[in-house]
Amino acid sequence: GQQLNQSPQSMFIQEGEDVSMNCTSSSIFNTWLWYKQDPGEGPVLLIALYKAGELTSNGRLTAQFGITRKDSFLNISASIPSDVGIYFCAGRLTGTASKLTFGTGTRLQVTL
Amino acid sequence: NAGVTQTPKFRILKIGQSMTLQCTQDMNHNYMYWYRQDPGMGLKLIYYSVGAGITDKGEVPNGYNVSRSTTEDFPLRLELAAPSQTSVYFCASSYRDRNSPLHFGNGTRLTVT
Repeated sequence: GQQLNQSPQSMFIQEGEDVSMNCTSSSIFNTWLWYKQDPGEGPVLLIALYKAGELTSNGRLTAQFGITRKDSFLNISASIPSDVGIYFCAGRLTGTASKLTFGTGTRLQVTL
Repeated sequence: NAGVTQTPKFRILKIGQSMTLQCTQDMNHNYMYWYRQDPGMGLKLIYYSVGAGITDKGEVPNGYNVSRSTTEDFPLRLELAAPSQTSVYFCASSYRDRNSPLHFGNGTRLTVT
């Protein structure tokens, strides 16, 4: 099936540092979503992107929908301990209104 | 404001046993989904439904069955549990709008021994 390549797989950073992660695909997507998952919980939506080139912020988080429609990135500025978790990208292929494809996740650890 | 509710939170099954994972949502969403998440992996779609009475297979449907008799409920059935079905199962729902994001439940952790 369709796969999204998400990188890096894991990151260890210090509090206050900026973080960047990305997702790439060989297929064209018409929607990109970024989710965060805390231990023992389901993924929670952070940012949704619907147009190529779109740049959207949510507090310290910024995400962009790549102009080729095959990639997206998420930046977190000035990381804090509660940013710890697994971040997933998800994409909706053109013509598949109901199904999302998920990346394999980026595990973020923040040290004080 | 419950959102998507899954029960049970944890379950241990023996090989060959059966069980039903329950999922209900109170947001009047048309679309509902079942995903499984294996360690270190993303979520894989098992089954989905675009409305009551309509279900369809996702990427990994083998060994599972679903039904959608109401808008609110979307149970997932395992008939003959196998160790390969050890995973965390997430139910999700969304509006019909193609741009609508998914809202997830908190998951059911299933171990088959």
